Amino acid sequence: QKEVEQNSGPLSVPEGAIASLNCTYSDRGSQSFFWYRQYSGKSPELIMFIYSNGDKEDGRFTAQLNKASQYVSLLIRDSQPSDSATYLCAAPGEGGADGLTFGKGTHLIIQP
Amino acid sequence: GAVVSQHPSRVICKSGTSVKIECRSLDFQATTMFWYRQFPKQSLMLMATSNEGSKATYEQGVEKDKFLINHASLTLSTLTVTSAHPEDSSFYICSAVGLAGALAYNEQFFGPGTRLTVL
Repeated sequence: QKEVEQNSGPLSVPEGAIASLNCTYSDRGSQSFFWYRQYSGKSPELIMFIYSNGDKEDGRFTAQLNKASQYVSLLIRDSQPSDSATYLCAAPGEGGADGLTFGKGTHLIIQP
Repeated sequence: GAVVSQHPSRVICKSGTSVKIECRSLDFQATTMFWYRQFPKQSLMLMATSNEGSKATYEQGVEKDKFLINHASLTLSTLTVTSAHPEDSSFYICSAVGLAGALAYNEQFFGPGTRLTVL
């Protein structure tokens, strides 16, 4: 049974600071990981995916993957109040098109 | 591109009735669609995988006779909640995987969700 674990928070970060969100996973065979942002009452929207060890940067967002430690993180630089949302970490199954296993999500609050 | 729609966005029904939710890929063909369910303050849970032209694959614990899935075309999948009860009240979200393009890393495009309330 694949598991994806996240601290549910809430995580409170001052505006302009770096928000750090963490995720661990149980399946060593997982090859790629996704970070989604979900606003209350809305469906998830993809922020980033990462499949290689190391860092991947996209604008204010940096995803980090450490397969040896089975750990994925998302850094948000220069946090804005509009970044306040729930951030979901997800991993797919094996094969070409499998459903995602989501973590419970971390509720992030950016304080103005 | 890669837009997925759902209809209806919100539905309220009486206990015992059936409700159909449609999921459409508007600008691409989706060989596979997924149905998720999200209860308040919980994460998305995969219910089933829907492949065009074949039977859906249900996750453990999801009753296939209660949640009927039909994927009749490459752009439409439907989820019917039969004999709905209050415990079925939830946020139902579909996603779609296209024939090509972003599939390299299993990117899924999510619909806006359907809020079901069973009285």
